Amino acid sequence: AQSVTQLDSQVPVFEEAPVELRCNYSSSVSVYLFWYVQYPNQGLQLLLKYLSGSTLVKGINGFEAEFNKSQTSFHLRKPSVHISDTAEYFCAVSEDRDDKIIFGKGTRLHILP
Amino acid sequence: ETGVTQTPRHLVMGMTNKKSLKCEQHLGHNAMYWYKQSAKKPLELMFVYNFKEQTENNSVPSRFSPECPNSSHLFLHLHTLQPEDSALYLCASSLGSNTQYFGPGTRLTVL
Repeated sequence: AQSVTQLDSQVPVFEEAPVELRCNYSSSVSVYLFWYVQYPNQGLQLLLKYLSGSTLVKGINGFEAEFNKSQTSFHLRKPSVHISDTAEYFCAVSEDRDDKIIFGKGTRLHILP
Repeated sequence: ETGVTQTPRHLVMGMTNKKSLKCEQHLGHNAMYWYKQSAKKPLELMFVYNFKEQTENNSVPSRFSPECPNSSHLFLHLHTLQPEDSALYLCASSLGSNTQYFGPGTRLTVL
């Protein structure tokens, strides 16, 4: 069965510093991987996704993630964060040909002034 | 993403009330989903509809009753809820590629 682990429930980062949010998954078949962001009092918004092809995926708002099959990871990175990046970030996995997505517990990103 | 809308955005109801949540997608998608998001818990998938047919019911109590009259509309009918049902209820839709697009959610409070 597939699962997603987000190792950090909260990550504090100073403004303009780089950030990495970690995500590991487990699955016995090929997978699709996603990162969603949830701003306060809003629904989830797709940041980026990996379906196939290049393992480095670029998304909106300057975020990128790298699919590492050997380490079963899909960590999210941004070289310089802004106060507007304050939100909760969810990693998710879906197995090929499956209409269900399994979400991680989320990582709350705190941007410090 | 404004392609998925949910109404109402906020709802307060008593345990004996009957209410309905509405979701509408304008993206031409064929699958729609209901999720429950509670504090400090992972997102919980409740129901999945594919081409108006329910394909998933994750052991959801019968006090939650979904309805999908067509591929663009999804309802969640609520009756005799419990305080622990208070949560953010999110609707999502997708087309084929598993990428789901979410609505803004309905914040439900059960008194």
